[in-house]
Formats: sequence, structure tokens, C-alpha cells
Amino acid sequence: DTEVTQTPKHLVMGMTNKKSLKCEQHMGHRAMYWYKQKAKKPPELMFVYSYEKLSINESVPSRFSPECPNSSLLNLHLHALQPEDSALYLCASRNPGSNTGELFFGEGSRLTVL
Amino acid sequence: GESVGLHLPTLSVQEGDNSIINCAYSNSASDYFIWYKQESGKGPQFIIDIRSNMDKRQGQRVTVLLNKTVKHLSLQIAATQPGDSAVYFCAETRRAGGTSYGKLTFGQGTILTVHP
Repeated sequence: DTEVTQTPKHLVMGMTNKKSLKCEQHMGHRAMYWYKQKAKKPPELMFVYSYEKLSINESVPSRFSPECPNSSLLNLHLHALQPEDSALYLCASRNPGSNTGELFFGEGSRLTVL
Repeated sequence: GESVGLHLPTLSVQEGDNSIINCAYSNSASDYFIWYKQESGKGPQFIIDIRSNMDKRQGQRVTVLLNKTVKHLSLQIAATQPGDSAVYFCAETRRAGGTSYGKLTFGQGTILTVHP
């Protein structure tokens, strides 16, 4: 079982809704990531937080707003999304000082925008 | 631009056969190359990684080979089992600065199907 927990597992929202995706890990990792994955495609990096500070934003539209309240939690706030934003959103974590490149992924939140 | 890609999008093998999944990369600055397995409805799961100063690394039933001369990475799975059926992604990562790691960039993926 994954040690990165994502909620909700499934989310359906309209284009005018505001919703949030949540991610939690208790492995003491200080780097956390959001990836977006479309069907039959590789995950695409959206954001990276390192020590609770946003370190990488891959030119993601402002309708996606990340937040890292503390070292264990990562949120992705969603507002005014488009149908093409429907995808699997994956959270991952890593210890920045680790000797490997391994990221630990959650099971993802499957988002459908109507 | 930088990219990590795969030669074969699908691979179909019989149970017990050895499988080889290939990956080409274009960025020579990567520190680590990693293989992930993603089963249907799940997040990617780490299989094995290899540091850029190595050319071979073995795990349990898996071996990763790195050929920096031709920028090629491969994953060998011995005695493939039906439970190995999944999408396999290669990925690369580089240090962002100091001891911190930054991006992990994925290749396109190979669908491995193992027939009993």
C-alpha cells in the first residue's frame, strides 16, 4: 500500500465549481509534487514544493492553485476548470537529501470536469 | 528540447519469458534514471534506478542497463509473470541545486502484457 494518501479518489465538478484535492504523507519527506496524467500518457509535472516552499511551477494555468500548509500536507485548489483538465492528478513525495531519485506516488485523484 | 522516450509502445510476452523494455533519452545532464511500473487505476510504483555513473544495476528479477554513449536505457524482467502486466515508464531526474532534487521527467511508456 502507498504511504502517500490522496483524497478524494474521484471528483466530478462543473466549470464554475471550486474544489480541492488533498495529499498527505507521514514519511518525513520534505519535497512534494503534483503531476497530471491523461489516459495512456506519462505523468506531467505541475508543481514541486521543497521544504514547504514552491520551487517549481511548470507554467500551470492559474485555475490550479497549490498550497503546502505543512510538511505533511499538499493541496491543489481548483477553480473555473475546463473539460480538458479532466485527468488523474497524482501526488508524490521525496526526501530531498535521498541518494536515489525515487518518488513515492499516491493512487491519484481522478477528476472529471463537466 | 529535453526528452525521455521509448522505442516500443507495446510488448506482449508469454509467462516465463524474459522481457526487455527500452528507453531513449536526450539529456546528458541527468543524475538518475528510474523505472516505474503503473498498474491500472494506481499510481506509478518505483522498480529500480541507476545512477548516471553506472552502466548496470540488478534487483530482484529486474536489471537496468544504461548506455550513455547512445543515450539508451533498458529494463530487463526475468521470468515474466502475469502480475508484471502494466505500463512501464522510464524517467530521469537531475539535482536542482545542493542536495535537493527537482524535476522527475517521464518517458512515453510501454504497455507490457504477459500471457499465461
